[in-house]
Amino acid sequence: DIQMTQSPSSLSASVGDRVIITCQASQDIGDYLNWYQQKPGKAPKLLINDASNLETGVPSRFSGSGYGTYFTLTISSLQAEDTATYYCQQYGNRPTFGQGTKVEIK
Amino acid sequence: EVQLMESGGGLVQPGRSLRLSCATSGFTFGDYAVSWFRQAPGKGLEWVGFIRTKPYGGTTEYAASVKGRFIISRDDNRSIASLHMSSLKSEDTAVYYCARGRIRITLAGAVVADASDIWGQGTVVTVSS
Repeated sequence: DIQMTQSPSSLSASVGDRVIITCQASQDIGDYLNWYQQKPGKAPKLLINDASNLETGVPSRFSGSGYGTYFTLTISSLQAEDTATYYCQQYGNRPTFGQGTKVEIK
Repeated sequence: EVQLMESGGGLVQPGRSLRLSCATSGFTFGDYAVSWFRQAPGKGLEWVGFIRTKPYGGTTEYAASVKGRFIISRDDNRSIASLHMSSLKSEDTAVYYCARGRIRITLAGAVVADASDIWGQGTVVTVSS
């Protein structure tokens, strides 16, 4: 199975900060990469599909980029409501998730 | 409103079986693949398996950890998907989610479910004696 490695595992940043989460695949997955946000006790929410396509209704401060084995999720200006755990997921072959990045407000 | 809702979770003894249901509404169920995911207490997300749409045979794929023990099925007439779990182990304890996704044919020719855009709220399965 394809391994997905996220970094960092957790971070603490101030409101208004730019936050970048990285996700590395163990082999080339093209753009078959999604990003999800999960808040405690809730189901995951799809933020970005196919590496860079923002889901309808998701704030424009979220963006995704990358292709092949290296991907990033960027929050351009962190807001209090962005406190959550973020997961990358490849779906090209037997879907797998990264281990998650917990984002907290400093 | 597009909705998915899981049911059927509970406490079950190791080695026993349990059937989860995923009732859907607000969209054409037959046009979508259905994936199942789980999340063990305090852990990350894990893909369990998915079922393709009928035009693609309604066939299934499973994670290695559940293959041979779990079966996913779908009833397009009732807009319901099911996850039948057997030979349950303590490590199957988790919140189980169903989610819909579009069928995608990859460059390699695989027929997969792409992004899971709508999820159910989850149902808790506890495997313990």
